Order: sequence, then structure tokens, then C-alpha cells
Amino acid sequence: EVQLVESGGGLVQPGGSLRLSCVDSGFTFSSFWMTWVRQAPGKGLEWVAIMNEDGGGQYYVDSVKGRFTISRDNSKNSLYLQMNSLRAEDTAVYYCAKVGKLGWNFDYWGQGTLVTVSS
Amino acid sequence: QSVLTQPPSASGTPGQRVTISCSGSSSNIGSNTVNWYQHLPGTAPKLLMYYNDQRPSGVPDRISGSKSGTSASLAISGLQSEDEADYYCATWDGSLNGVVFGGGTKLTVL
Repeated sequence: EVQLVESGGGLVQPGGSLRLSCVDSGFTFSSFWMTWVRQAPGKGLEWVAIMNEDGGGQYYVDSVKGRFTISRDNSKNSLYLQMNSLRAEDTAVYYCAKVGKLGWNFDYWGQGTLVTVSS
Repeated sequence: QSVLTQPPSASGTPGQRVTISCSGSSSNIGSNTVNWYQHLPGTAPKLLMYYNDQRPSGVPDRISGSKSGTSASLAISGLQSEDEADYYCATWDGSLNGVVFGGGTKLTVL
């Protein structure tokens, strides 16, 4: 059974940093792209970042470029999101998801972790 | 303002057929396949349709997807109360070099 479990969310002040983790099981982690998606309160889903199988390639939504870094450790079946210079508008539930092999679909999702940026 | 445009709401009575549209451009839907997600508040989003019209295992065949040009649509027939949720379309955008989501459509079963 595929499982993705996020952790690391919490309350942080504007300008602060936070590192999210996503531990995965039930599939060959090193064979798939992985991604982060967020949902701000009362808003829709927003894609944040994506990384290829070996960590050599990544893409970001413009609003987080230069502030967030996606990474992975295939030996630990883990995906990470380092978030720096956090802003109030980064407040959201952050989901990690596995990317399927066809057409950039996100076929399995975690339950999400809440990040609140507030003073 | 989302790159992909969806109606904010849709509704139907049990047993009816409902269609949700998703409009984009040549850099996203026009040149890539479309995926659809179902999201209930407080739960993990669920992949409902991928590669325009492919159903993942476990998704009933009363749910279908299609794409034409720079638009896509999701159809749900035999509407059931359990279908009440938020629905999102998504695809890769070659100009933005990233995945884009629609703004979401809240489906209400009356």
C-alpha cells in the first residue's frame, strides 16, 4: 500500500524558516518524480515544486523561487521542502504527492501538514 | 487568477449528469494532457482522471474525461451524494515550466 506521510508544519513568524518532510512507502521511491502542492485557507490547490527521480532537476512556481528548495534522499525514501523567508501568504496545508508515469499526474497524496506564518 | 479557468460551482440532483469545464491555452491544455482531482475538505486530494480520459483503478465508469483543443471537461453521470466535493483540473504549462491547476469547482448534490 502506497503511503506518504508529511511532517514539519507549524507556526512560524514572517521571515522565518521551516523544513517539511515526507516519508514514503509502498513503492520504489527512487523511480518516480515527487512534488509539493499547497492549499491556502479558503483557496484552491496550488502547485509548489517538483523534482525528478535522482534529484538532478526541479521546477518551482514563481512565487516561491529563491525562497523554497525541494530535495530528496532516495536512501531514506524521503522528500523535503526547505522554506525560507516565509510570508503570510505561504500559510497553507502542504501536501506531498507521487507523480505518475503518464502526463504529470499526481496519483498518490499525503494527508498534508499545516504551515501557519504569523507574528 | 488561475491559469486554467473552471466554473466556481456546479450542481445537480441525484441521478443527473453534470459536466465541469476547464479552459486553458496553447501552452498548457493545448499541448499537454489533463488530469482531474477530487478533494474533500480535510482529506488528501484524489486523482480522478489522468491523461485526459483515463480512470485510475477504483474510479467508477460513470465518471469520464475529455479534451478538445485548449479545453477539457469532466462528466459525472448518475450523480450521487458522495460526489459532493471540490474538483480541480491540472496540466503542465510549457511557458511557465510548471504544473498549473484550475481554480476548482465546488459540486453540490441537491
